[in-house]
Amino acid sequence: ETGVTQTPRHLVMGMTNKKSLKCEQHLGHNAMYWYKQSAKKPLELMFVYNFKEQTENNSVPSRFSPECPNSSHLFLHLHTLQPEDSALYLCASSQGREPSEQYFGPGTRLTVT
Amino acid sequence: GQNIDQPTEMTATEGAIVQINCTYQTSGFNGLFWYQQHAGEAPTFLSYNVLDGLEEKGRFSSFLSRSKGYSYLLLKELQMKDSASYLCAVRDSNYQLIWGAGTKLIIKP
Repeated sequence: ETGVTQTPRHLVMGMTNKKSLKCEQHLGHNAMYWYKQSAKKPLELMFVYNFKEQTENNSVPSRFSPECPNSSHLFLHLHTLQPEDSALYLCASSQGREPSEQYFGPGTRLTVT
Repeated sequence: GQNIDQPTEMTATEGAIVQINCTYQTSGFNGLFWYQQHAGEAPTFLSYNVLDGLEEKGRFSSFLSRSKGYSYLLLKELQMKDSASYLCAVRDSNYQLIWGAGTKLIIKP
């Protein structure tokens, strides 16, 4: 595997379910990001980790819980989501927190029913 | 507040030239990025401008005017595969990326 991978690619869950999204980067980067992408809206930065430490949390509801066990892996734990949380969730990585570019994974298409 | 504006959708003809504009109002400026995103795929990096002027990379060029808070992405010799969304993003004084909503470019034969 190369680049940034995300699993699952598609997820349908009920509002009472608990699920987790996984992201793995094979680029040797030390910063990782979770974004939410809704139709016709700007990318919303959710969380930033730099060297496994969370450096930003942009007022994200507590039903989203990130975990970064090491610089290569990032998880987003989901519980008691709302239908408006349905979106594409993108993971990205970069070399350093002030990069020239971010590398994105293919995303997880989440539908909350 | 911080804001990035770009057209929602544009249509162009195969073989032609198209210019996608981006205007921004942000708290400070530390660079402007353009990304391409095909439907159902990850955004991929196209260009980065931090100084005024034109940066050329093959069929794609990106221009920046910091005094006007303005950038454009120029695509030449359009191909059908260029049909995608083009995202403009600005890095502010806190080095946080502020994203536009993207411009969907439709290429017609």
